[in-house]
Amino acid sequence: DVKVTQSSRYLVKRTGEKVFLECVQDMDHENMFWYRQDPGLGLRLIYFSYDVKMKEKGDIPEGYSVSREKKERFSLILESASTNQTSMYLCASRPPGNYGYTFGSGTRLTVV
Amino acid sequence: QKEVEQNSGPLSVPEGAIASLNCTYSDRVSQSFFWYRQYSGKSPELIMSIYSNGDKEDGRFTAQLNKASQYVSLLIRDSQPSDSATYLCAVNLGGTSYGKLTFGQGTILTVHP
Repeated sequence: DVKVTQSSRYLVKRTGEKVFLECVQDMDHENMFWYRQDPGLGLRLIYFSYDVKMKEKGDIPEGYSVSREKKERFSLILESASTNQTSMYLCASRPPGNYGYTFGSGTRLTVV
Repeated sequence: QKEVEQNSGPLSVPEGAIASLNCTYSDRVSQSFFWYRQYSGKSPELIMSIYSNGDKEDGRFTAQLNKASQYVSLLIRDSQPSDSATYLCAVNLGGTSYGKLTFGQGTILTVHP
């Protein structure tokens, strides 16, 4: 089974801090995604990557950046954390073709 | 209009009944459709995928797709309390590149004994 690992399950950060959320997958998937999930708003795509060093903006990229230096690792960066970035962050990967995602276990980030 | 819309819940059914979850999508050329189950505090888990018109069955789950009506549904037969979760419909709208999925808001299902 594909494993998608997010480094932290819970994280508390202060406003203005630079925050790194890490995601690693073990199946050599090209495509990786970062979503945030908020009550009433559902899952919203922040960024995705289709290859090493390649990235595309999703629907809500403002305040975020990403890094993909190696195929297995896709990092989400909050340049200067704000309270409105308090959310559940979900990483996902998928192989080429018509397949669904495998999600990581999620990181619940609280910005105080 | 939302791009992927699910019937508003919450949905409550008795144990043993059939639960019916519905989803409509905005783009006629979409090709890939998925249902995810998400337990409270957990991440979504893929339970069904469907690509062609008609029904696809997997155990107690049946996915139904009607591309002409832009409609996909999930039936859960013999519902169990362990099926209580949020169900998310996801669509690769317009066959967009890299398999990017757009999710519905989710329908909360409660199966009561």
